[in-house]
Amino acid sequence: NAGVTQTPKFRILKIGQSMTLQCAQDMNHNYMYWYRQDPGMGLKLIYYSVGAGITDKGEVPNGYNVSRSTTEDFPLRLELAAPSQTSVYFCASSTDSNQPQHFGDGTRLSIL
Amino acid sequence: AQTVTQSQPEMSVQEAETVTLSCTYDTSESDYYLFWYKQPPSRQMILVIRQEAYKQQNATENRFSVNFQKAAKSFSLKISDSQLGDAAMYFCAYRVTGTASKLTFGTGTRLQVTL
Repeated sequence: NAGVTQTPKFRILKIGQSMTLQCAQDMNHNYMYWYRQDPGMGLKLIYYSVGAGITDKGEVPNGYNVSRSTTEDFPLRLELAAPSQTSVYFCASSTDSNQPQHFGDGTRLSIL
Repeated sequence: AQTVTQSQPEMSVQEAETVTLSCTYDTSESDYYLFWYKQPPSRQMILVIRQEAYKQQNATENRFSVNFQKAAKSFSLKISDSQLGDAAMYFCAYRVTGTASKLTFGTGTRLQVTL
């Protein structure tokens, strides 16, 4: 069972570079989420989507963009990487808003 | 605003013993979910147990159980017969029912399991 797949697992970026973190799920979940986890902290919601073509901001959306062209994929885009975006990024999905979220393994991103 | 507080940054338990991790939350909502997630060194977030606020009965999942005190806004996790594989970060989390956007996490408790 693949579940939620995130790529890459690790990445180092230079300040000002851009990149896309990929997230795919094969469970036909409508809801998908992006979180970031800073050292010693819990997860904070960046963006979420309730279905293809629908996205909305979470708690910490600044510096990020998302798109949801298909049910399966929910990429997260960093346009101008900044050191404050050094973090571990988690993608998650759920059937609906009342069901538990299933998490990917995370992407560790360092901005130098 | 909803907040989740885990006041124990680290806990330690001997193998086969029982340990309780604390969690308190602050909310004005009456209908919500509470969760405990486990994050081992592999970094994966694994759902351990969840509790619906409207249910008075405490949730249990094998060796894991919760003590849900709605009036006190407390949601502790009890791990019985602790095993070496239980060593991980444990996060308490909260979400208002029907709301897709807001899963609020505490800062976590690191659990060590010793022989």
